[in-house]
Amino acid sequence: DIVMTQSPDSLAVSLGERATINCRSSQSLLYSPNNKNYLAWYQQKPGQPPKLLIYWASTRESGVPDRFSGSGSGADFTLTISSLQAEDVAVYYCQQYYGTPVTFGHGTAVEIK
Amino acid sequence: QVQVVESGGGVVQPGTSLGLSCAASGFTFSRHPMHWVRQAAGKGLEWVALISYDGSNKYYADSVEGRFTISRDNSKNTLYLQMSFLRAEDTAVYYCVKGYLGTSYGPFDSWGQGTLVTVSS
Repeated sequence: DIVMTQSPDSLAVSLGERATINCRSSQSLLYSPNNKNYLAWYQQKPGQPPKLLIYWASTRESGVPDRFSGSGSGADFTLTISSLQAEDVAVYYCQQYYGTPVTFGHGTAVEIK
Repeated sequence: QVQVVESGGGVVQPGTSLGLSCAASGFTFSRHPMHWVRQAAGKGLEWVALISYDGSNKYYADSVEGRFTISRDNSKNTLYLQMSFLRAEDTAVYYCVKGYLGTSYGPFDSWGQGTLVTVSS
């Protein structure tokens, strides 16, 4: 199974400041034939289901604010919130869909400092 | 708009069975793979099962292999999860999730609100 390791476990950032979450996979998620990284990021607010933010490592889902961006390739990835807003308080998960079983990171809780 | 709505959760005793359903609307159900994902209270996300767009391929997490069965009825736009030999550790909110068009290996782009399954004596 592909193990997804997120860091940090939690993060406190001031409003308007940058938040950075890292995700590392135990094997490369880059599929050479199509040059795509099979990595997604999800946001989950309390009492709500997860919401897709980023897929193919860097493609923003429709309707997601452009302060959210994804980067990285192979086995190292980053989710960046460029200017944290109050509504961004949530748990963020990375996920690999390169193969089954699909696996998620354990989550990173983002809060306001 | 896209909607997936789960039903069928409840409280059951260990060793018994329970079936979940997921009614889909707002998209061409028969063209998308579908997943079940669960989340125990205060815990992270655990993928449970995947079924291809036409139902010909099914995949399961090791933790449920042999006990859970995923199926779909494309004529009814409905996804199912039949759970047997339930254990306390199966207690979780179960989410029905729409997969990416065109491939079983894609992001999970729409999630239901979830249905709670509690396994307890």
